[in-house]
Amino acid sequence: AQSVTQLGSHVSVSEGALVLLRCNYSSSVPPYLFWYVQYPNQGLQLLLKYTSAATLVKGINGFEAEFKKSETSFHLTKPSAHMSDAAEYFCAVSEGMSNTGKLIFGQGTTLQVKP
Amino acid sequence: DTAVSQTPKYLVTQMGNDKSIKCEQNLGHDTMYWYKQDSKKFLKIMFSYNNKELIINETVPNRFSPKSPDKAHLNLHINSLELGDSAVYFCASSQTDRPRDGYTFGSGTRLTVV
Repeated sequence: AQSVTQLGSHVSVSEGALVLLRCNYSSSVPPYLFWYVQYPNQGLQLLLKYTSAATLVKGINGFEAEFKKSETSFHLTKPSAHMSDAAEYFCAVSEGMSNTGKLIFGQGTTLQVKP
Repeated sequence: DTAVSQTPKYLVTQMGNDKSIKCEQNLGHDTMYWYKQDSKKFLKIMFSYNNKELIINETVPNRFSPKSPDKAHLNLHINSLELGDSAVYFCASSQTDRPRDGYTFGSGTRLTVV
């Protein structure tokens, strides 16, 4: 069965600093991987996805993530944090084409951006 | 025009009551889902319907009953509400039941049981 672990429930960075949110997954088949962002009192918005094409994936708002099969990781990065990036971030995995498409979510990482 | 809409947005009710949450998507997607987000923000799938057919039914108390009258609608009825049912419930949809493009989420229904 697949699972997702997000290392660090809270990450705090200064405005303009690099953002790095860590995600490791477990899956017995090639996975689909996703990053979602949740702003306060809102639903989840898709940031980016990996579906077995390019291993470096670019998303919205300047975020990108790299799929590393050898490390079973899909870390999310952004070169320069903005105050508006403060939110909850979720990594999710599904088992690609081999199973029903339920997404399994990590426990989330709260990103705080300090001025 | 909202892609996945849920009603109501907030729901406060007493223990023992029965309540329903409605969800509609106008994206033409085949598959819809209900997720529960607890107070620690952990998201767990509850149900999924593909073209009105139940395809995922996780370990959920049978007080929770989903219903999909057509592929654009997925409702959630909860009987005999308990304090532990307090959470945010999210509806989502995807093009197919093999979601390469992920889900589109609604804005959530915050249920508070008092």
